[in-house]
Amino acid sequence: DTEVTQTPKHLVMGMTNKKSLKCEQHMGHRAMYWYKQKAKKPPELMFVYSYEKLSINESVPSRFSPECPNSSLLNLHLHALQPEDSALYLCASSQAAETDTQYFGPGTRLTVL
Amino acid sequence: AQKVTQAQTEISVVEKEDVTLDCVYETRDTTYYLFWYKQPPSGELVFLIRRNSFDEQNEISGRYSWNFQKSTSSFNFTITASQVVDSAVYFCALSEAGGQGAQKLVFGQGTRLTINP
Repeated sequence: DTEVTQTPKHLVMGMTNKKSLKCEQHMGHRAMYWYKQKAKKPPELMFVYSYEKLSINESVPSRFSPECPNSSLLNLHLHALQPEDSALYLCASSQAAETDTQYFGPGTRLTVL
Repeated sequence: AQKVTQAQTEISVVEKEDVTLDCVYETRDTTYYLFWYKQPPSGELVFLIRRNSFDEQNEISGRYSWNFQKSTSSFNFTITASQVVDSAVYFCALSEAGGQGAQKLVFGQGTRLTINP
């Protein structure tokens, strides 16, 4: 089973709202990733958690706040977003080795009004 | 710095034609991994293949085949007898160590493949 699930599938929020994106995997993977993808562009890495600790933050603005409550769950808390943050947000997971394959979820399409 | 180039931005062919998607990479590492992912309109990136730098054997999986040539730093992907369901954006990616068990993928810009009936 190589399934990564993400909720919600679609999210519309105002610039003053607080919302969260959720990602879950049950493959026993110990590395989890958040990516942002704009239209017609490749995914851009935002954060990486390895063994439930934040190991990479690609200089993401503080209005995006990641959280890894346990090895199966990854959240992305959103607050005071801007319209340019509208994008597809993808979650991925892999075994915690630097050579392993990342498996992606279906993504959350976020629109900020 | 690592780099992946997919020079073909868009390809459009008629169903049943064969089509090759090009991928050229740059790295100074002697050990590295290359990947191909498919992204259909639904948005999910679907893993297709992983190849390590020590294994230059070509691989075939059904209608899909991959040609890895270290001499030209290329990892090309061919779809034989294309079908409408193959329509998607295809990304080639190169892995680099992110430290502490994390991996960073360097993606190409993607090739949008359209198969017309």
